[in-house]
Amino acid sequence: DAKTTQPNSMESNEEEPVHLPCNHSTISGTDYIHWYRQLPSQGPEYVIHGLTSNVNNRMASLAIAEDRKSSTLILHRATLRDAAVYYCILDSWGKLQFGAGTQVVVTP
Amino acid sequence: DAGVIQSPRHEVTEMGQEVTLRCKPISGHNSLFWYRQTMMRGLELLIYFNNNVPIDDSGMPEDRFSAKMPNASFSTLKIQPSEPRDSAVYFCASRYRDRRGEAFFGQGTRLTVV
Repeated sequence: DAKTTQPNSMESNEEEPVHLPCNHSTISGTDYIHWYRQLPSQGPEYVIHGLTSNVNNRMASLAIAEDRKSSTLILHRATLRDAAVYYCILDSWGKLQFGAGTQVVVTP
Repeated sequence: DAGVIQSPRHEVTEMGQEVTLRCKPISGHNSLFWYRQTMMRGLELLIYFNNNVPIDDSGMPEDRFSAKMPNASFSTLKIQPSEPRDSAVYFCASRYRDRRGEAFFGQGTRLTVV
C-alpha cells in the first residue's frame, strides 16, 4: 500500500495561513490524494481531494506537485475551530488508509 | 439524509462476551468502511465493502473479528469473544465507490471491554 509522510505537529497563529505538507513518493498513477481532519471526540471529516490538478473548495486548497510525489493542504485563514489532526491519505483502488496525521495547533 | 448512523454510541462489556456494532450507511452509497481508533495505533482500516461484497479484510486483527453487509443499508462488525485490548472507538464510513470522492463518517462506537 502506498504510504504518506506528514509532520507530527504544526502551530499557527489565528487568521494566518497554514501550509500542511505531505509526501507520497510511492503514489501510483490512479491514486487520489485525500485530506481529512478529525476534531477532538469526533469522527474524521472530509476536507478536500484531487488527482493531478490543484483544487479549491470552501474549506481549503490542495496544491499537488507536478510529479505527484507530494502535496500541500492550505488553510487560508486559520481559526481556533481548525485545531485538529489533519490526515493525508492516498485513495488506492478505493481503499482509504489513514496514517498518523499532523496535529495542528492554532493560537489566538 | 441523517448521515452515517452507528449504534450503539457506547458499549461496555465483559471480557469473553460477544459484541456487535452496527452501521447504517448513507442511502445510495455503495462503499462501506470499518475503522478502529486507539491512542497507540491511530486509525486502522479493518475492512471495506463495495456493493455489499468484502474487498479487503487484511486489517481485521484476528479471527475473533468478523464483518458482514447483508444489504446496502446495513453492516455489522462482531467481536467474539471480546478482550480488553479490543477497547477502542470504532468508526464506520460510506461513500460512492465510483466517484472516489468524499467519505462520510459516523460518530463512532466507543467500546470498553472490562
